[in-house]
Amino acid sequence: QVQLVQSGAEVKKPGASVKVSCKASGYTFTNYAMHWVRQAPGQRLEWMGWINAYTGDTKYSQKFQGRVTFTRDTSATTAYMELISLRSEDTAVYYCARGMATWDYWGQGTLVTVSS
Amino acid sequence: DIQITQSPSSLSASVGDRVTITCRASQSISSYLSWYQQKPGKAPKLLIHATSRLQSGVPSRFIGGGSGTDFTLTISSLQPEDFATYHCQQTYSAHPTFGGGTRVEI
Repeated sequence: QVQLVQSGAEVKKPGASVKVSCKASGYTFTNYAMHWVRQAPGQRLEWMGWINAYTGDTKYSQKFQGRVTFTRDTSATTAYMELISLRSEDTAVYYCARGMATWDYWGQGTLVTVSS
Repeated sequence: DIQITQSPSSLSASVGDRVTITCRASQSISSYLSWYQQKPGKAPKLLIHATSRLQSGVPSRFIGGGSGTDFTLTISSLQPEDFATYHCQQTYSAHPTFGGGTRVEI
């Protein structure tokens, strides 16, 4: 069965960076894109961008351009999201979601807390 | 970016009720509208895509409709497990966006 398993919760200080992993199983990893979405407390879901798991091509939301990097390791069937220069407003649950025409499987979420 | 206005932000209902949630897009998104259900502490779960196509395994009481800018999610007979938050999402543009969510409470 398809599963996306994310890395555990992180606590970071302002200015630090965080890298979240998303381990995929149960399907051909390179046949799909992987989207990254975050949900800050009390806020709506927010798309951060996506990575083509086959080519490694990326598309970032303008809001995060320059601060976020998506990578993938095809041998490990894992996608990664790194966010730098963290600030308190980056406190959120971060999700990966498998997507082409539909976003049918999501990771369980990774809580990133940014606090001094 | 395409803005999505979802209403109501919350509603109270009883088991067996018919419930309708609305999403309005700031421009036409054709039929590129999906609906998700989210329970506390869990990831969103895809219910409907392409406005009205039920995701595999989702009960038929979930009904999606609309086109262009106005879309609805109807739960024909609310069940205890349906109490959750519902989100709509447009994937028409290269920058997908979500509605603000509707919390369905007892």
